[in-house]
Amino acid sequence: SQQGEEDPQALSIQEGENATMNCSYKTSINNLQWYRQNSGRGLVHLILIRSNEREKHSGRLRVTLDTSKKSSSLLITASRAADTASYFCATAHSGNTPLVFGKGTRLSVIA
Amino acid sequence: KAGVTQTPRYLIKTRGQQVTLSCSPISGHRSVSWYQQTPGQGLQFLFEYFSETQRNKGNFPGRFSGRQFSNSRSEMNVSTLELGDSALYLCASSGDLASADTQYFGPGTRLTVL
Repeated sequence: SQQGEEDPQALSIQEGENATMNCSYKTSINNLQWYRQNSGRGLVHLILIRSNEREKHSGRLRVTLDTSKKSSSLLITASRAADTASYFCATAHSGNTPLVFGKGTRLSVIA
Repeated sequence: KAGVTQTPRYLIKTRGQQVTLSCSPISGHRSVSWYQQTPGQGLQFLFEYFSETQRNKGNFPGRFSGRQFSNSRSEMNVSTLELGDSALYLCASSGDLASADTQYFGPGTRLTVL
């Protein structure tokens, strides 16, 4: 399966701490995308990183991509209770194939 | 710009019935993708439409079908509903093919099959 796998499945941290989530995949990609989903709602796009990029930032978010290891990480710095959500990585494997989502990491930020 | 809208938001049906879900993409977006989300299987890709053409189809039975209209609005239909079809159905739109562009998701339609 091409499906990305997030690690860990669940993560619980204190407000103010950093949270790191990882995503691994099996076949080469064009890009990798991270999304956030609050309970039972639609997904919100966070960052898209292309295969020729190694790192991208957006506010408190930092995404890295290591194509040699077929892995990506999402770092949320100075976490807040509002960051509590599920985080998904999605991989795009060619120009005409659907995005493939992993099963997600459930992040709980405790105030 | 208005976001992606999905109607209805909640739906309760019984086994054997059929259902039609609607998705209105962001203005100017030509790609609409549909996903089924369940606790056990996660987010499963159903199909993608781009400029009224089905570009990709996921591994779902023929009871699941969809279409896209000239204004990019999309509908998906599920016939002969089964209990296992209970799920959150999400649609997403993007300007380009879904694999090449950011996807903007709607709030979803929660379907319960009794």
